[in-house]
Amino acid sequence: KAGVTQTPRYLIKTRGQQVTLSCSPISGHRSVSWYQQTPGQGLQFLFEYFSETQRNKGNFPGRFSGRQFSNSRSEMNVSTLELGDSALYLCASSVLAGVGSYEQYFGPGTRLTVT
Amino acid sequence: AQSVTQLGSHVSVSEGALVLLRCNYSSSVPPYLFWYVQYPNQGLQLLLKYTTGATLVKGINGFEAEFKKSETSFHLTKPSAHMSDAAEYFCAVTSSSNTGKLIFGQGTTLQVKP
Repeated sequence: KAGVTQTPRYLIKTRGQQVTLSCSPISGHRSVSWYQQTPGQGLQFLFEYFSETQRNKGNFPGRFSGRQFSNSRSEMNVSTLELGDSALYLCASSVLAGVGSYEQYFGPGTRLTVT
Repeated sequence: AQSVTQLGSHVSVSEGALVLLRCNYSSSVPPYLFWYVQYPNQGLQLLLKYTTGATLVKGINGFEAEFKKSETSFHLTKPSAHMSDAAEYFCAVTSSSNTGKLIFGQGTTLQVKP
């Protein structure tokens, strides 16, 4: 079974621009979560989508948004980019693997650099 | 609210020595606990998990962890370190009602010396 895929893998943008990142979950996984990883703040939860609905949201400004499509693929968008948005953005798909069992699998990430 | 504390941002061991990475959690509800490993320029790989049942869980690459509720700990161990174990390790917590949101510790970088 193919793993979580993220595109693009690397991205360079200029301050003030906007960017869209894409994530394709593992087949059969309906939940997609997004995380931001930076050296200073570590791994921080952005949001989670399940069946095309945002089910959970972290403490990020409204410039960060996302959506999920009917095939479970997800996109996240960051508008009006700031230098501090430079980070590795990780997508994870998850499944209830059985009664009381849960697993979340991560993609390779998209490295965003804002100049 | 949930939180995770990983004690020691850097741990150094000799090849063949015991690996012990410490993780303490805080949770007002029964936790689901995970250990992930991250190699440079890669995503996170699931090493092992505790959700319910047996408190000693075995994962990939010879790692195991024990859930100790009384100590609110979930330490990761491996009897004999290998050079390929050098990486960054993250402990994470969630709960059955909030499964899509993992709360991570700050990570521990494991160095393995020859």
